[in-house]
Amino acid sequence: EVQLVESGGGLVKPGSSLKLSCVASGFTFSSYGMHWIRQAPKKGLEWIALIYYDSSNKYYADSVKGRFTISRDNSKNTLYLEMNSLRSEDTAMYYCARGRGLDYWGQGVMVTVSS
Amino acid sequence: DIQMTQSPSFLSASVGDRVTINCKASQNINRYLNWYQQKLGEAPKLLIYNANSLQTGIPSRFSGSGSGTDFTLTISSLQPEDVATYFCLQHNSWPNTFGAGTKLELK
Repeated sequence: EVQLVESGGGLVKPGSSLKLSCVASGFTFSSYGMHWIRQAPKKGLEWIALIYYDSSNKYYADSVKGRFTISRDNSKNTLYLEMNSLRSEDTAMYYCARGRGLDYWGQGVMVTVSS
Repeated sequence: DIQMTQSPSFLSASVGDRVTINCKASQNINRYLNWYQQKLGEAPKLLIYNANSLQTGIPSRFSGSGSGTDFTLTISSLQPEDVATYFCLQHNSWPNTFGAGTKLELK
């Protein structure tokens, strides 16, 4: 069974940093590109980052480019999202999702940026 | 960026009703359109991929159609467990973009 489990969220102050993790199981993690998507409270979904299966390419939404870094460790079946210079508008539920078709998603982890 | 316009944003229907939800892309996305169901507190679940392919394990009352810019998700006979928010995703080009969602409730 494919499972994606996010962790690392919490309440932080503006300007702070946070690193999210997404642990994958039930499939060959190293064969799939992986995404991060977020959903702000009472707002729609926003795709924010993609990393290829071998980390050879990474893409970011303009809203996070230069502040967020996506990475992965295939030996640990884990996807990461390092978030720096956090702003109140980064407050959201963050999801990881698998593959080009985003066919499996995690349950999400909440990040709240507030003073 | 490709804009995805989803309608309606809210839908109330009775058990057994045929329900349709639409997504319109601001430019041609071929068939690279997915439909998801999200229940409160749960992860989004893929229902339909590439416009009309039913994901494994999804009941056959769910179907998708369309290509190019106009797409439809149909639930042929609404069941109580279908109460959820539904949203579309285009994965034809970066950045991937989502519809705003349709909240489906029972009448």
